[in-house]
Amino acid sequence: QKEVEQDPGPLSVPEGAIVSLNCTYSNSAFQYFMWYRQYSRKGPELLMYTYSSGNKEDGRFTAQVDKSSKYISLFIRDSQPSDSATYLCAMSDYGGSQGNLIFGKGTKLSVKP
Amino acid sequence: EAGVTQFPSHSVIEKGQTVTLRCDPISGHDNLYWYRRVMGKEIKFLLHFVKESKQDESGMPNNRFLAERTGGTYSTLKVQPAELEDSGVYFCASSQNKGDGYTFGSGTRLTVV
Repeated sequence: QKEVEQDPGPLSVPEGAIVSLNCTYSNSAFQYFMWYRQYSRKGPELLMYTYSSGNKEDGRFTAQVDKSSKYISLFIRDSQPSDSATYLCAMSDYGGSQGNLIFGKGTKLSVKP
Repeated sequence: EAGVTQFPSHSVIEKGQTVTLRCDPISGHDNLYWYRRVMGKEIKFLLHFVKESKQDESGMPNNRFLAERTGGTYSTLKVQPAELEDSGVYFCASSQNKGDGYTFGSGTRLTVV
């Protein structure tokens, strides 16, 4: 079983739709959860950073962490064509046996005008 | 604030040759990380510097890879001799504190033929 599972898509939605992206993980020691956005030929860009369980909102983006289910989500409201990118989840326990990021494969999102 | 800079952006070399990748982190960031993405796989951790010291090099694939960070500023990653399976995108990232989200560079796309 992979440590982090993420559906690679591709996911295509019309402009204005609500997008839901998610990852599951197996390591209960993970406490730090991140979502990165990556445009073609660019490096990952940090979008959301959450510690432990709960929700975090930033503009049109909401990150949710459910540690009991080992499941994290990213919601994008009122999606725009400029949101078209690959979205990567990443997580870490920062201090245990894995002090660095474990990434999902990424979900490729396309928002059509 | 200048971001993380990587050079070159793209390198094509023959099997058996040597290649050196360079990363300039954000000024003042003590933590510097190297990651790699091979085609179809997740981004994977290679190693972590704190200033000039290697904190964790558990992700380095073998002894053909040598990373240095002289003076705690820029870092180089040398592959010698390169093999076909070394092809991929090599990302550098930096952060001020270990628990912070990273800032990634745009990556070096390495192709070994």
